[in-house]
Amino acid sequence: GAVVSQHPSWVICKSGTSVKIECRSLDFQATTMFWYRQFPKQSLMLMATSNEGSKATYEQGVEKDKFLINHASLTLSTLTVTSAHPEDSSFYICSARGASWNEQFFGPGTRLTVL
Amino acid sequence: GENVEQHPSTLSVQEGDSAVIKCTYSDSASNYFPWYKQELGKGPQLIIDIRSNVGEKKDQRIAVTLNKTAKHFSLHITETQPEDSAVYFCAASRSLGAALIFGKGTTLSVSS
Repeated sequence: GAVVSQHPSWVICKSGTSVKIECRSLDFQATTMFWYRQFPKQSLMLMATSNEGSKATYEQGVEKDKFLINHASLTLSTLTVTSAHPEDSSFYICSARGASWNEQFFGPGTRLTVL
Repeated sequence: GENVEQHPSTLSVQEGDSAVIKCTYSDSASNYFPWYKQELGKGPQLIIDIRSNVGEKKDQRIAVTLNKTAKHFSLHITETQPEDSAVYFCAASRSLGAALIFGKGTTLSVSS
């Protein structure tokens, strides 16, 4: 199957700083990427949907000025958590979908800890 | 919007037994229902999926059934093995490529 990577796999930052998480499709062109957030022992909650070259669509309750999503190329989407606070600590997971098929492939996730 | 309920939240079985996880959904327009296995610290992996034009699908020890009238679908794992221990999530969407709405997950523990 198609491979999706995330970088970094884990990050620790101080409160008030910004953190960028990358999601890459390694062997296919991802026309759509989804970002999910998962708190400990909870389910995946969809944050936003991004299509290459256009603005992301955010789910209700997700602050677009705090969670900046850029999908500038067919293989890369980035999520920037701006002015991070301890309550933003979570597991962030992306998934990608190619133009030639509809199945979503998930990345391994990024563990963010804000001190 | 769509709401997916999943039960049970935890399930413990002996190796070799069967395990069944059930989900219900609210959006009658949903027509794609995948199941994911997530191991600790990793992203979810698709293990099986079913579309609304099919009532049952099987892949070796794993099977999924769908009842569109009742809006529920189930995952069946037979001859469970310790390596089946993980968190399992059901999900639903209106189409194969659309955003997924996940259930809350079931922690399956298979003891030898």
